[in-house]
Amino acid sequence: DIQMTQSPSVLSASVGDRVTLNCKASQNINKYLNWYQQKLGEAPKLLIYNTNNLQTGIPSRFSGSGSGTDYTLTISSLQPEDVATYFCFQHNSWPLTFGSGTKLEIK
Amino acid sequence: EVQLVETGGGLVQPGRSLKLSCVASGFTFNNYWMSWTRQAPGKGLEWVASITNSGGSTYYPDSVKGRFTISRDNAQNTLYLQMNSLRSEDTATYYCTRGLGVDYWGQGVMVTVSS
Repeated sequence: DIQMTQSPSVLSASVGDRVTLNCKASQNINKYLNWYQQKLGEAPKLLIYNTNNLQTGIPSRFSGSGSGTDYTLTISSLQPEDVATYFCFQHNSWPLTFGSGTKLEIK
Repeated sequence: EVQLVETGGGLVQPGRSLKLSCVASGFTFNNYWMSWTRQAPGKGLEWVASITNSGGSTYYPDSVKGRFTISRDNAQNTLYLQMNSLRSEDTATYYCTRGLGVDYWGQGVMVTVSS
């Protein structure tokens, strides 16, 4: 099974900061990496698919990059409504697996 | 607008069965693979099952293989998850999700396995 390791587990940043979340796969996942945002009490929402493609309707301050085993989600200017837990997800091989999440807080 | 509406959750005793349903609308259902994903209370996300658009192939992680069965009725735009031999560790919110790449999620349905 491919293990997805997210770091940090908790991130505290100020409004307007540039924020980077990391996701490392235990083997090459060929850019089949998605990022989801989950706010408290809600279903997850797709932000980025296949490493760097912005889902329709998602603000352009969100971007993704990476290759091989290492991937990042960047928020260029943190907004109060970005408070949430962020999960990465690989759909390159079975079983499909999620990271354990990064909880993003506002300082 | 893509909509996925799950039903069928509830409280069930260990060892018993439960069947979840998900009605899809807003897209051509039989063009898409479909999946189920779950989230235990306060925990992360776990993929549970996937099915091809025709229903001809299904996929499961080892944690549910042999106990859970995913199926679909393309005429009714409905996805199912039959859960047998339920365990306490199956307690979670179950989400119906679209596609292998999981782009849309339903609102989720709670399943509690407890005596």
